[in-house]
Amino acid sequence: QSVLTQPPSVSGAPGQRVTISCTGSSSNIGAGSDVHWYQRLPGTAPKLLIYGNSNRPSGVPDRLSGSKSGTSASLAITGLQAEDEADYYCQSYDSLSGGWVFGGGTKVTVL
Amino acid sequence: EVQVLDSGGGLVQPGGSLRLSCAASGFSFSNFAMSWVRQAPGKGLEWVSTISDDGVATYYADSVKGRFSISRDNSKNTVYLQMNSLRAEDTAVYFCAKAAGYTLGAYYFDYWGQGTLVTVSS
Repeated sequence: QSVLTQPPSVSGAPGQRVTISCTGSSSNIGAGSDVHWYQRLPGTAPKLLIYGNSNRPSGVPDRLSGSKSGTSASLAITGLQAEDEADYYCQSYDSLSGGWVFGGGTKVTVL
Repeated sequence: EVQVLDSGGGLVQPGGSLRLSCAASGFSFSNFAMSWVRQAPGKGLEWVSTISDDGVATYYADSVKGRFSISRDNSKNTVYLQMNSLRAEDTAVYFCAKAAGYTLGAYYFDYWGQGTLVTVSS
């Protein structure tokens, strides 16, 4: 049971928009801790996609965007492409446990 | 170019020990916290441990507290994870990651190693 809750899977056709939610609580996202997003392709290291709720590192396309409100955050992917098929994880800091926490992960499938 | 190279994984019996290493380059190592994150087979990412830039502060997930120990040698640009009293549930790919962010509440992991597999089995 992850501290941050994500849907197990989302899917969309090429070109469509999908969103992945990340729901936390008053001890993490709701306490003001930033939310960050990662992509994990099989056999590769996780890749940082979004940091500080909505900032993209250099090289990450602007088709990806992040937002945060209250105790939740979301990652949006517009213009879905086959290369977006991967597992996505949100991450934040939890003051109750005194450590960093990840969501359970969401598998994105391109139909 | 930032590089993070983790190593030291292998097969170990329950109750055994293993030490992972992570050599970093391409950035001012002594100015950044470093972390270990793992992923068990079929599971999601799990934060394991973080060490501050100067090595004074260390943080552990409850699942490894008292069994794992993180350390660093800034003269060698290397961070270590000493794993003792290993259990079957510690079986995972372990990733070393560079931490970024101005406060604990803002830390994220911007560069990752390729991962090293730890298998705990008799």
